[in-house]
Amino acid sequence: DQQVKQNSPSLSVQEGRISILNCDYTNSMFDYFLWYKKYPAEGPTFLISISSIKDKNEDGRFTVFLNKSAKHLSLHIVPSQPGDSAVYFCAASITGANNLFFGTGTRLTVIP
Amino acid sequence: GAGVSQSPSNKVTEKGKDVELRCDPISGHTALYWYRQSLGQGLEFLIYFQGNSAPDKSGLPSDRFSAERTGGSVSTLTIQRTQQEDSAVYLCASSPLSGVGNTIYFGEGSWLTVV
Repeated sequence: DQQVKQNSPSLSVQEGRISILNCDYTNSMFDYFLWYKKYPAEGPTFLISISSIKDKNEDGRFTVFLNKSAKHLSLHIVPSQPGDSAVYFCAASITGANNLFFGTGTRLTVIP
Repeated sequence: GAGVSQSPSNKVTEKGKDVELRCDPISGHTALYWYRQSLGQGLEFLIYFQGNSAPDKSGLPSDRFSAERTGGSVSTLTIQRTQQEDSAVYLCASSPLSGVGNTIYFGEGSWLTVV
């Protein structure tokens, strides 16, 4: 049972435009959410996170939005750069629990 | 190095053989995780170690899988009598003890192919 879902396996965006990656979750107990970025043949690297007490967190070109009522979060990348091309994983956890639940990932391609 | 180190980076083994995968976490991190990613799938939690506490083994898919962590540092994931469906990238991660959030840091993974 997939508790974190990324329904778009891939996304292509023109360089300079906004990339929006979406993630939905089913467990209302989740209170901490993260995005990881993965290049081929490398492990995932932490990108940005948000606690459920917030609805937005911004770090440079990356902003994560959380809509708790819809159980939805999104990652915005503005402006998109070719180096952003990677697989992006959404993850969710319950503070104090041992596990991060990951989505299946979205492959972002930024076209120069 | 400063990151999570895993070995081997690639392993091809015959069906039925045992394999051992090693993880060296970030120095000072007390929590250690094993995940795996099969082709086209998300990251699947396997096992979690925290300090001297009993590990959380709830994600291990069968009794052919086991893991240990010696001295609170290095961990070994063992897969006995490997099957083709065990082919995946096995990712180790570590995190510092923290009461807020759960950001974990991954190694580059061990790519296992069972033929």
